[in-house]
Amino acid sequence: GAGVSQSPSNKVTEKGKDVELRCDPISGHTALYWYRQRLGQGLEFLIYFQGNSAPDKSGLPSDRFSAERTGESVSTLTIQRTQQEDSAVYLCASSSSRRSNQPQHFGDGTRLSIL
Amino acid sequence: AQTVTQSQPEMSVQEAETVTLSCTYDTSESDYYLFWYKQPPSRQMILVIRQEAYKQQNATENRFSVNFQKAAKSFSLKISDSQLGDAAMYFCAFNNAGNMLTFGGGTRLMVKP
Repeated sequence: GAGVSQSPSNKVTEKGKDVELRCDPISGHTALYWYRQRLGQGLEFLIYFQGNSAPDKSGLPSDRFSAERTGESVSTLTIQRTQQEDSAVYLCASSSSRRSNQPQHFGDGTRLSIL
Repeated sequence: AQTVTQSQPEMSVQEAETVTLSCTYDTSESDYYLFWYKQPPSRQMILVIRQEAYKQQNATENRFSVNFQKAAKSFSLKISDSQLGDAAMYFCAFNNAGNMLTFGGGTRLMVKP
């Protein structure tokens, strides 16, 4: 597709369950980012992938959060043993390089609701 | 660490008029980039405009322009001839290391017909 694609669009799950969120970046984009947006707030950085380099995990809030990316393709963000505080919109973005001037293109996000 | 502050949680403007959204940031870096993103209810973040810190000239994109004051660490967004479709959340963002964007808390813009 032409843009960043995220699935599912919405996810409702019970506290304690594991969830997987998927991001399909723009073809050819080497950099991929995950952000979290709590209701009424700005975006918080979670994790960043650049090509085959080790990911920057400095934004992950706890060890319940992890993410993978194979090469320059799809990424999966996994949240284990979900808590109510994990309820948020999870946004994925990609860019053509890690250079600061390259804009990040965002997907529509996954709205995660923990009951 | 960098911080970005948007001091106006909400702003409103009459259709066809001009509005300015404020943003300040804090950094010790000298080379960086600043962005304004628009987020309509669809949730997608749409790039509105960007500014390179080493450029003195303010960026413009059609009805959108910025007032970049590097010494004051200020980066405001001016929207001219406001349209109903401009109603959205607007986020100011900072990037210096080529990694993540640091976002402000956002300003909700309402446009009155």
